[in-house]
Amino acid sequence: EIVLTQSPATVSVSPGERATLSCRASQDLRSNLAWYQQKPGQAPRLLIYGASARATGIPARFSGSGSGTEFSLTISSLQSEDIALYYCHQYNDWLGTFGQGTKVEIK
Amino acid sequence: QVQLVQSGGEVKKPGASVRVSCKAYGYTFTNYGITWVRQAPGQGLEWMGWLSPYNGNTQYAQKVQDRVSVTTDTSTSTVYLDLRSLTSDDTAVYYCARDRLGVSISMVRGVNGGMDVWGQGTTVIVSS
Repeated sequence: EIVLTQSPATVSVSPGERATLSCRASQDLRSNLAWYQQKPGQAPRLLIYGASARATGIPARFSGSGSGTEFSLTISSLQSEDIALYYCHQYNDWLGTFGQGTKVEIK
Repeated sequence: QVQLVQSGGEVKKPGASVRVSCKAYGYTFTNYGITWVRQAPGQGLEWMGWLSPYNGNTQYAQKVQDRVSVTTDTSTSTVYLDLRSLTSDDTAVYYCARDRLGVSISMVRGVNGGMDVWGQGTTVIVSS
């Protein structure tokens, strides 16, 4: 099983500031990594696929980067509506796995 | 529009089985795989299994593979998750989600591209 380790567990950022989330994989994923946003009581929403491609309707302030085993999600200018949990997900293997999540909160 | 509609919440006793359904609307059902993901209270997302309605192929997480079955009824565009021998650890919200890539691409690339459409979630409570 491919293990994904997200850091930090919680990131506190002031409105308008940058937030950077990390995801490290136990094996080479090439670019087969996605990021999801989940707000309380809601289903996850796809933000990024292919490590860096924004899904339909996702604001440009969300960007993804990385390949291999090191990936990151950046929110360039944090908005109040970005407060949520964020999960990375690998689909390099047909047996998918998720990271444990990073909580983004307002400082 | 494209959507996945799941069955309603369930309360089960330990040792029982549960079936959760996921009905697809707005797209050609057999063209996209379906993944099941669950989330225990206050916990993260857990990948459980995947099925291709195109050919019936399945994949299951090692943790639940002895207790889980994912099946499909293509005549009703529905995918089912069956989980047996329930324990309190199976208390969770269960989500179905559609592959982002259609089968014509995923079968060539060997990846599903992540999941772009999610059901609303089904709460399963296991309690004596």
